[in-house]
Amino acid sequence: RKEVEQDPGPFNVPEGATVAFNCTYSNSASQSFFWYRQDCRKEPKLLMSVYSSGNEDGRFTAQLNRASQYISLLIRDSKLSDSATYLCVVREGTGNQFYFGTGTSLTVIP
Amino acid sequence: DGGITQSPKYLFRKEGQNVTLSCEQNLNHDAMYWYRQDPGQGLRLIYYSQIVNDFQKGDIAEGYSVSREKKESFPLTVTSAQKNPTAFYLCASSTPGEGQPQHFGDGTRLSIL
Repeated sequence: RKEVEQDPGPFNVPEGATVAFNCTYSNSASQSFFWYRQDCRKEPKLLMSVYSSGNEDGRFTAQLNRASQYISLLIRDSKLSDSATYLCVVREGTGNQFYFGTGTSLTVIP
Repeated sequence: DGGITQSPKYLFRKEGQNVTLSCEQNLNHDAMYWYRQDPGQGLRLIYYSQIVNDFQKGDIAEGYSVSREKKESFPLTVTSAQKNPTAFYLCASSTPGEGQPQHFGDGTRLSIL
């Protein structure tokens, strides 16, 4: 069983739409959670950390459900520039192991 | 600016040749990592190092070797034993502590001639 699982998509949405990505993780001892964005042929870049109480950064909202071992990312008012692959990442405890989902592909269509 | 520098950006390998990918960081991070990414696929861990002079194999270490002689440097050698080395190689680093993310270099694309 994979440590982190994501729906690979692809998600094709029109500009202005709201889209949500989900991610599940298998290790209940996981402590830190992140969403990264990866553009085609580029390195992953941190989009936002995910906090227990949920957090928002502009059009992006991240939520964590520890009981269900589930993380989500909501993008409102999608822009063409949001087209990318979104990676769910989990860090176990304060250790140095990170586990990556395979990514969810998003294309925002004019 | 603090960050991770990978070089070269593009690298070509001949059959039977070993090549070394460079990764340098000035973030003062203890942990460093190497990942491989194939087209349309996720990241797979090759090796990681939590401290100088120590490193552990990841999921796909066969055909690769690393060293960690200095905190800021973690070079990866792709040996001739790696029969399918064509991929995008990413180096990352992190610092201990809850909520601390990984930081990535901008990658090296390796191809076979």
